[in-house]
Amino acid sequence: NAGVTQTPKFRVLKTGQSMTLLCAQDMNHEYMYWYRQDPGMGLRLIHYSVGEGTTAKGEVPDGYNVSRLKKQNFLLGLESAAPSQTSVYFCASSYTASGKGAKNIQYFGAGTRLSVL
Amino acid sequence: QKEVEQDPGPLSVPEGAIVSLNCTYSNSAFQYFMWYRQYSRKGPELLMYTYSSGNKEDGRFTAQVDKSSKYISLFIRDSQPSDSATYLCAMSFYSGAGSYQLTFGKGTKLSVIP
Repeated sequence: NAGVTQTPKFRVLKTGQSMTLLCAQDMNHEYMYWYRQDPGMGLRLIHYSVGEGTTAKGEVPDGYNVSRLKKQNFLLGLESAAPSQTSVYFCASSYTASGKGAKNIQYFGAGTRLSVL
Repeated sequence: QKEVEQDPGPLSVPEGAIVSLNCTYSNSAFQYFMWYRQYSRKGPELLMYTYSSGNKEDGRFTAQVDKSSKYISLFIRDSQPSDSATYLCAMSFYSGAGSYQLTFGKGTKLSVIP
């Protein structure tokens, strides 16, 4: 059982280049999330999805786009990378059991370390 | 003021010590309270979660929630070097339109010295 898998693990980009980060989960979770983690800033939500074909903006969405074409995959795109997007990116997925409140236990991938020069 | 406040540390303790990690929050809409552990260069992993005020114990770990004071704690008994990690508190809430989110503290870095 792999859980949440992120690809790639490391990447170095030049300013202006584009790339896509892939997240795959095998737990049949409805919800998926993309975060960035920066020193002193904690985890900040970029975009999220409540189901296949749906996406929504989080706290820091500018400069990123996402797609959820399949339930198990959630893609994060950088169209024109900037040095401010140097960060560690985490994908997470979760389920919610109806009638039990907003439990929202999220399971995280190992992260993608991105440097933009 | 951020919704969740957590002292970033770092916190350094000798092996065998009792560790207390804390978070305060301001949003009464938070429903579940969680603690995640994150080892260096790894993703966060869930340690414990609680819903109601009171204590919940799991081995050497005890999570405590005081909703009246908007204060949560994680206690680690008989701390081990393998407990050295960053501990993140997280709180869940319903954000509308069928979506649920977590708000995280910034994390406390803990080092347990042999």
